[in-house]
Amino acid sequence: QVQLVQSGAEVKKPGASVKVSCKASGYTFSDYYIHWVRQAPGQGLEWMGWINTNSGGGTKYAQKFQGRVTVTRERSISTAYMELTGLRSDDTAVYYCARDVNMIQFDSWGQGTLVTVSS
Amino acid sequence: QSALTQPPSASGSSGQSVTISCTGTSSDVGGYNYVSWFQQHPGKAPKLMIYEVSKRPSGVPDRFSGSKSGNTASLTVSGLQAEDEADYYCSSYAGNNPPVVFGGGTKVTVL
Repeated sequence: QVQLVQSGAEVKKPGASVKVSCKASGYTFSDYYIHWVRQAPGQGLEWMGWINTNSGGGTKYAQKFQGRVTVTRERSISTAYMELTGLRSDDTAVYYCARDVNMIQFDSWGQGTLVTVSS
Repeated sequence: QSALTQPPSASGSSGQSVTISCTGTSSDVGGYNYVSWFQQHPGKAPKLMIYEVSKRPSGVPDRFSGSKSGNTASLTVSGLQAEDEADYYCSSYAGNNPPVVFGGGTKVTVL
């Protein structure tokens, strides 16, 4: 069955960077885009960006995160990564990866990775 | 402030129906037939309930239905059950910048 398994929780200091991984299994990794969505405590879902997991590896980011977020993938191990730099306290959130079957048809999600930013 | 507007809460008695609205603009909801709805229970990842406005993924009960009129999409849950109590989020494709937008979420309570 399709599974997305994310890396574990992280605690970071302000100004640091974090890199979250998302390992896919149960399907051909390069067939579908991977999106990253975050959710601050008690808040709603916020789209961050996507990556085309095929050979092109094209990306698109929300303007809010431009210059701070980088999404990459390693096709040989069916894994996508989201790196966020210049962390601030308001980046404290659960970060999710999601598989996009077709135009925001996010049919499978990772379990979420809690990133806590605190001095 | 979310790009799509949802009511913060909605409720209905067990067995009754509840409808959640999701209002956007002609640049997102009104411009494309790519609206999805997600259900999220506390501490869990979101789950896809509706895609392309009104289509249900395999395994989602037919009590869940979606529709759209102009710039507003709607999710209706019929025959409410206790397990339907959750947060519901709408999402729409929005073209280029940003390409994906979410609503602020609606907490559904089963009375």
